[in-house]
Amino acid sequence: GIQVEQSPPDLILQEGANSTLRCNFSDSVNNLQWFHQNPWGQLINLFYIPSGTKQNGRLSATTVATERYSLLYISSSQTTDSGVYFCAVIKGWGAQKLVFGQGTRLTINP
Amino acid sequence: DVKVTQSSRYLVKRTGEKVFLECVQDMDHENMFWYRQDPGLGLRLIYFSYDVKMKEKGDIPEGYSVSREKKERFSLILESASTNQTSMYLCASSLTPPNTEAFFGQGTRLTVV
Repeated sequence: GIQVEQSPPDLILQEGANSTLRCNFSDSVNNLQWFHQNPWGQLINLFYIPSGTKQNGRLSATTVATERYSLLYISSSQTTDSGVYFCAVIKGWGAQKLVFGQGTRLTINP
Repeated sequence: DVKVTQSSRYLVKRTGEKVFLECVQDMDHENMFWYRQDPGLGLRLIYFSYDVKMKEKGDIPEGYSVSREKKERFSLILESASTNQTSMYLCASSLTPPNTEAFFGQGTRLTVV
C-alpha cells in the first residue's frame, strides 16, 4: 500500500518562530489533507489540498503532486499551535480511505 | 459546517462487556469510518461504510463489528471488550469523489479494565 512519511517527527520552537512540516508519499494520490490534533484528541481540518497552494491566516500548505510531497508552513508560531500535525492521503477512488503519516509533534514554548 | 459527533468522550468498560460506540454526522455524507489511535502505531482503519447497510473491513477489524442502519449513524461494536482494545477511537465522514475531504469527531477514549 501507499506509504506516507512525515518529517521531522518532533519540532520544538520558540513563540514567534516559523516552521515547515513535510509529508512525502510513495504513489500518486487523489486527496491530501493536513490535520492538527488538539490536546483533547480531536483532529481539526487544516487543509484539503490534493495539489497547489492554499493559505489560511498564519498557515499555508503546498502540495506538489508530481513530486509526491506536501509542505505545511506555520508562521509566527503561537503556543496554541502546539500539538501533533498529521498528513493523510487517499490513493484512488475505489477505496476512499485516508492513510495517515505518523505525525509531527510541534511544541511551541513561550 | 460539517459536524461529526461521537456519543462519549471518555468511556470505561469491563473486560467481556459488549461496547457500543456511536457516531452521527449531519452533512449527508455517504462515507463513514472508524479509526483507532495508539501511541507508536498511529491511526489505523478498523471499518468503513460507503452506504447504508454496506461495510468493508479496514486494516484491523478483528474483535470489532459495525452497524449502519441509517445514513447519518455509524456504530462500532466491541463484541467482548478486552484490555488490548483500550485506545482512542475516532469516527470520520466524507463525501464521495471528487471531493473526499474527511471530517472527524471529537474522539472517544475507551479504557477496558
